[in-house]
Amino acid sequence: DTAVSQTPKYLVTQMGNDKSIKCEQNLGHDTMYWYKQDSKKFLKIMFSYNNKELIINETVPNRFSPKSPDKAHLNLHINSLELGDSAVYFCASSQDWGRRPYNEQFFGPGTRLTVL
Amino acid sequence: AQSVAQPEDQVNVAEGNPLTVKCTYSVSGNPYLFWYVQYPNRGLQFLLKYITGDNLVKGSYGFEAEFNKSQTSFHLKKPSALVSDSALYFCAVRDYGGATNKLIFGTGTLLAVQP
Repeated sequence: DTAVSQTPKYLVTQMGNDKSIKCEQNLGHDTMYWYKQDSKKFLKIMFSYNNKELIINETVPNRFSPKSPDKAHLNLHINSLELGDSAVYFCASSQDWGRRPYNEQFFGPGTRLTVL
Repeated sequence: AQSVAQPEDQVNVAEGNPLTVKCTYSVSGNPYLFWYVQYPNRGLQFLLKYITGDNLVKGSYGFEAEFNKSQTSFHLKKPSALVSDSALYFCAVRDYGGATNKLIFGTGTLLAVQP
Protein backbone atom coordinates (compact mmCIF):
# COMPACT_ATOMS: atom_id res chain seq x y z
CA ASP A 1 0.00 0.00 0.00
CA THR A 2 1.54 3.27 -1.13
CA ALA A 3 1.31 5.92 1.60
CA VAL A 4 1.74 8.99 -0.62
CA SER A 5 1.18 8.54 -4.32
CA GLN A 6 1.56 10.95 -7.21
CA THR A 7 0.45 10.82 -10.82
CA PRO A 8 1.92 10.98 -13.29
CA LYS A 9 5.47 9.89 -12.51
CA TYR A 10 6.81 11.54 -15.65
CA LEU A 11 5.35 14.47 -17.55
CA VAL A 12 6.83 15.79 -20.78
CA THR A 13 5.09 18.73 -22.38
CA GLN A 14 5.53 21.77 -24.58
CA MET A 15 5.97 25.35 -23.42
CA GLY A 16 2.70 27.16 -22.99
CA ASN A 17 0.68 24.07 -22.13
CA ASP A 18 -1.37 23.59 -18.96
CA LYS A 19 -0.84 20.48 -16.86
CA SER A 20 -1.87 18.99 -13.54
CA ILE A 21 -0.19 16.70 -11.05
CA LYS A 22 -2.25 14.73 -8.59
CA CYS A 23 -1.38 13.58 -5.10
CA GLU A 24 -3.15 11.27 -2.71
CA GLN A 25 -2.24 10.08 0.77
CA ASN A 26 -3.82 7.20 2.66
CA LEU A 27 -2.16 7.93 6.00
CA GLY A 28 -5.07 9.91 7.40
CA HIS A 29 -2.88 13.01 7.70
CA ASP A 30 -4.38 16.47 7.90
CA THR A 31 -1.59 18.42 6.20
CA MET A 32 -0.22 18.13 2.69
CA TYR A 33 2.60 19.89 0.86
CA TRP A 34 4.07 20.53 -2.56
CA TYR A 35 7.83 20.83 -2.92
CA LYS A 36 9.95 21.61 -5.96
CA GLN A 37 13.37 20.01 -6.42
CA ASP A 38 15.47 21.66 -9.08
CA SER A 39 18.28 20.22 -11.17
CA LYS A 40 20.79 20.91 -8.39
CA LYS A 41 18.63 18.93 -5.98
CA PHE A 42 17.61 22.02 -4.00
CA LEU A 43 14.32 21.32 -2.28
CA LYS A 44 11.92 24.14 -1.61
CA ILE A 45 8.39 24.25 -0.32
CA MET A 46 5.74 25.74 -2.57
CA PHE A 47 2.41 25.25 -0.83
CA SER A 48 0.86 23.59 2.17
CA TYR A 49 -2.72 22.79 3.07
CA ASN A 50 -4.01 21.93 6.51
CA ASN A 51 -7.51 20.48 6.60
CA LYS A 52 -8.10 21.84 3.09
CA GLU A 53 -7.01 25.34 4.12
CA LEU A 54 -3.99 26.98 2.48
CA ILE A 55 -1.41 27.69 5.20
CA ILE A 56 1.82 28.13 3.30
CA ASN A 57 2.00 29.94 0.00
CA GLU A 58 5.56 30.65 -0.98
CA THR A 59 6.64 33.09 -3.60
CA VAL A 60 5.78 31.11 -6.68
CA PRO A 61 4.31 32.41 -9.94
CA ASN A 62 0.53 32.57 -9.90
CA ARG A 63 0.60 30.17 -12.84
CA PHE A 64 0.85 27.53 -10.11
CA SER A 65 -2.43 26.83 -8.37
CA PRO A 66 -2.91 24.15 -5.74
CA LYS A 67 -6.25 22.63 -4.99
CA SER A 68 -7.27 20.39 -2.12
CA PRO A 69 -10.68 18.78 -2.68
CA ASP A 70 -10.38 16.88 0.61
CA LYS A 71 -7.78 16.10 3.27
CA ALA A 72 -6.43 13.12 1.36
CA HIS A 73 -5.81 14.89 -1.93
CA LEU A 74 -3.72 17.83 -3.06
CA ASN A 75 -3.39 18.63 -6.72
CA LEU A 76 -1.12 21.09 -8.47
CA HIS A 77 -2.18 22.81 -11.65
CA ILE A 78 0.32 24.71 -13.73
CA ASN A 79 -0.72 27.12 -16.47
CA SER A 80 1.38 28.34 -19.38
CA LEU A 81 4.32 26.12 -18.64
CA GLU A 82 7.80 27.58 -19.04
CA LEU A 83 11.20 25.98 -19.50
CA GLY A 84 12.16 26.95 -15.94
CA ASP A 85 9.32 24.88 -14.55
CA SER A 86 11.22 21.72 -15.41
CA ALA A 87 11.93 20.01 -12.09
CA VAL A 88 10.84 17.17 -9.87
CA TYR A 89 7.73 17.97 -7.86
CA PHE A 90 7.19 16.15 -4.59
CA CYS A 91 4.02 15.84 -2.62
CA ALA A 92 4.25 15.17 1.12
CA SER A 93 1.95 14.82 4.10
CA SER A 94 2.14 14.99 7.87
CA GLN A 95 -0.16 14.97 10.86
CA ASP A 96 -0.94 17.79 13.29
CA TRP A 97 1.12 20.47 11.58
CA GLY A 98 0.06 23.06 14.15
CA ARG A 99 0.01 21.14 17.42
CA ARG A 100 2.83 18.67 16.74
CA PRO A 101 5.37 20.55 14.60
CA TYR A 102 7.93 17.82 15.22
CA ASN A 103 6.00 15.24 13.22
CA GLU A 104 7.91 14.08 10.18
CA GLN A 105 6.67 14.43 6.65
CA PHE A 106 6.07 11.51 4.34
CA PHE A 107 7.02 12.06 0.71
CA GLY A 108 5.62 10.75 -2.52
CA PRO A 109 7.85 9.33 -5.28
CA GLY A 110 7.92 12.58 -7.22
CA THR A 111 6.77 13.76 -10.63
CA ARG A 112 9.50 14.63 -13.09
CA LEU A 113 8.24 17.49 -15.24
CA THR A 114 10.12 18.29 -18.44
CA VAL A 115 9.08 21.33 -20.43
CA LEU A 116 10.34 21.42 -24.02
CA ALA B 1 16.40 34.07 9.50
CA GLN B 2 15.84 30.36 9.57
CA SER B 3 18.48 28.39 7.66
CA VAL B 4 20.23 25.07 7.38
CA ALA B 5 23.74 24.52 6.09
CA GLN B 6 25.30 21.32 4.85
CA PRO B 7 28.88 22.37 4.18
CA GLU B 8 29.87 19.29 2.19
CA ASP B 9 28.45 18.60 -1.24
CA GLN B 10 29.86 15.09 -1.12
CA VAL B 11 31.27 12.75 1.49
CA ASN B 12 33.33 9.74 0.47
CA VAL B 13 33.90 6.88 2.86
CA ALA B 14 35.07 3.29 2.58
CA GLU B 15 32.69 0.51 3.48
CA GLY B 16 33.04 -0.46 7.13
CA ASN B 17 34.39 2.93 8.18
CA PRO B 18 32.43 5.39 10.30
CA LEU B 19 30.68 8.20 8.49
CA THR B 20 29.63 11.71 9.42
CA VAL B 21 27.44 14.06 7.41
CA LYS B 22 27.49 17.59 8.79
CA CYS B 23 24.61 19.98 9.39
CA THR B 24 24.39 23.34 11.14
CA TYR B 25 21.28 25.41 11.61
CA SER B 26 20.08 28.87 12.52
CA VAL B 27 16.64 29.55 14.01
CA SER B 28 14.98 32.20 16.11
CA GLY B 29 12.61 29.87 17.95
CA ASN B 30 12.85 26.25 19.07
CA PRO B 31 14.45 23.97 16.50
CA TYR B 32 13.01 20.68 15.47
CA LEU B 33 15.67 18.92 13.40
CA PHE B 34 15.30 16.15 10.86
CA TRP B 35 17.39 13.98 8.57
CA TYR B 36 15.98 12.58 5.36
CA VAL B 37 17.58 10.32 2.74
CA GLN B 38 16.86 10.30 -0.99
CA TYR B 39 17.83 7.34 -3.11
CA PRO B 40 18.14 7.87 -6.89
CA ASN B 41 14.81 8.58 -8.57
CA ARG B 42 12.95 8.20 -5.31
CA GLY B 43 11.19 10.44 -2.84
CA LEU B 44 12.65 11.47 0.50
CA GLN B 45 12.55 9.01 3.38
CA PHE B 46 12.58 10.08 7.00
CA LEU B 47 15.60 8.85 9.01
CA LEU B 48 15.42 10.51 12.41
CA LYS B 49 14.53 13.67 14.28
CA TYR B 50 15.44 15.70 17.33
CA ILE B 51 12.62 17.14 19.41
CA THR B 52 13.97 17.60 22.91
CA GLY B 53 15.80 15.71 25.62
CA ASP B 54 18.64 13.31 24.89
CA ASN B 55 21.09 14.91 22.47
CA LEU B 56 21.87 11.60 20.77
CA VAL B 57 19.04 10.47 18.56
CA LYS B 58 18.86 7.03 16.98
CA GLY B 59 17.06 6.39 13.73
CA SER B 60 16.53 4.00 10.87
CA TYR B 61 19.18 1.80 9.23
CA GLY B 62 21.67 2.24 12.09
CA PHE B 63 21.96 6.00 11.71
CA GLU B 64 22.17 8.37 14.64
CA ALA B 65 22.58 12.11 15.03
CA GLU B 66 23.94 14.31 17.77
CA PHE B 67 22.28 17.59 18.65
CA ASN B 68 24.71 20.23 19.89
CA LYS B 69 22.98 23.41 20.96
CA SER B 70 26.13 25.46 21.58
CA GLN B 71 27.47 24.67 18.13
CA THR B 72 24.00 24.72 16.54
CA SER B 73 24.81 21.45 14.84
CA PHE B 74 23.01 18.19 14.13
CA HIS B 75 25.51 15.88 12.47
CA LEU B 76 24.43 12.52 11.08
CA LYS B 77 26.59 9.53 11.97
CA LYS B 78 26.90 5.82 11.45
CA PRO B 79 29.55 3.61 13.03
CA SER B 80 30.05 1.38 9.99
CA ALA B 81 29.08 2.47 6.47
CA LEU B 82 27.49 0.17 3.91
CA VAL B 83 27.62 0.53 0.13
CA SER B 84 23.82 0.61 0.24
CA ASP B 85 24.01 3.81 2.33
CA SER B 86 25.12 5.68 -0.78
CA ALA B 87 22.45 8.31 -1.37
CA LEU B 88 21.63 12.01 -1.00
CA TYR B 89 21.10 13.13 2.59
CA PHE B 90 19.12 16.21 3.61
CA CYS B 91 19.11 17.95 6.94
CA ALA B 92 16.01 20.02 7.71
CA VAL B 93 14.84 22.32 10.48
CA ARG B 94 11.46 23.59 11.56
CA ASP B 95 11.65 26.90 13.36
CA TYR B 96 8.65 26.44 15.57
CA GLY B 97 7.54 29.69 17.16
CA GLY B 98 10.10 31.62 15.17
CA ALA B 99 9.79 34.00 12.31
CA THR B 100 8.86 31.28 9.86
CA ASN B 101 7.02 28.12 10.66
CA LYS B 102 7.88 25.75 7.86
CA LEU B 103 10.39 23.00 7.17
CA ILE B 104 13.59 24.31 5.61
CA PHE B 105 15.93 21.87 3.90
CA GLY B 106 19.67 22.04 3.51
CA THR B 107 21.25 21.73 0.11
CA GLY B 108 21.93 18.03 0.50
CA THR B 109 25.10 15.95 0.86
CA LEU B 110 25.84 13.10 -1.47
CA LEU B 111 27.24 10.16 0.44
CA ALA B 112 29.36 7.77 -1.60
CA VAL B 113 30.45 4.56 0.10
CA GLN B 114 33.16 2.68 -1.73
CA PRO B 115 33.39 -1.10 -1.43
